[in-house]
Amino acid sequence: EAGVTQFPSHSVIEKGQTVTLRCDPISGHDNLYWYRRVMGKEIKFLLHFVKESKQDESGMPNNRFLAERTGGTYSTLKVQPAELEDSGVYFCASSQMLAGAEQYFGPGTRLTVT
Amino acid sequence: GEDVEQSLFLSVREGDSSVINCTYTDSSSTYLYWYKQEPGAGLQLLTYIFSNMDMKQDQRLTVLLNKKDKHLSLRIADTQTGDSAIYFCANREDTGRRALTFGSGTRLQVQP
Repeated sequence: EAGVTQFPSHSVIEKGQTVTLRCDPISGHDNLYWYRRVMGKEIKFLLHFVKESKQDESGMPNNRFLAERTGGTYSTLKVQPAELEDSGVYFCASSQMLAGAEQYFGPGTRLTVT
Repeated sequence: GEDVEQSLFLSVREGDSSVINCTYTDSSSTYLYWYKQEPGAGLQLLTYIFSNMDMKQDQRLTVLLNKKDKHLSLRIADTQTGDSAIYFCANREDTGRRALTFGSGTRLQVQP
């Protein structure tokens, strides 16, 4: 069974540009999460989808970030316009609906904004 | 908001035991986790413990939870070079939220 995949693995963009990150969860996982780790600090929660609906978006830093999960399968996270402080590693995770179900993480996308 | 804190770095010799410590502030934590991240890879769940437990052992891994002091530790017995990685402590609230709160990670370096 394929794990959580993320694309691209690394993106380098200039300040003010737009970047779209993609996450493909494990097949059959209704829960999808986005997290990010900035500058070697703690990994912070961004948001949680249940199927195509945003269940919890309390961690989204500002309105430059837009997450979508049309059709309840893969998800995209768009940053527009990117700022220097957006640099970091963006992780995606997915889990089954069972309470306490393990979150399986992807390898992350390293975003560098110059 | 809740905080999870860990020391940044730990170096041990191969064959020794490693103990990675974590403190947290959220007293409503129900699940506490240890994740491992190897270079270029995602986070791998190593083990977890429910808040009503004091200890959990799984092969070379022992998790100790002191709920009163909000302290969690991960002991790795007979540490191997393959254990070199970043270890993240995380917790989850006793609410409907599924968001995990992570620490900054402890980089474990195993010297041969």
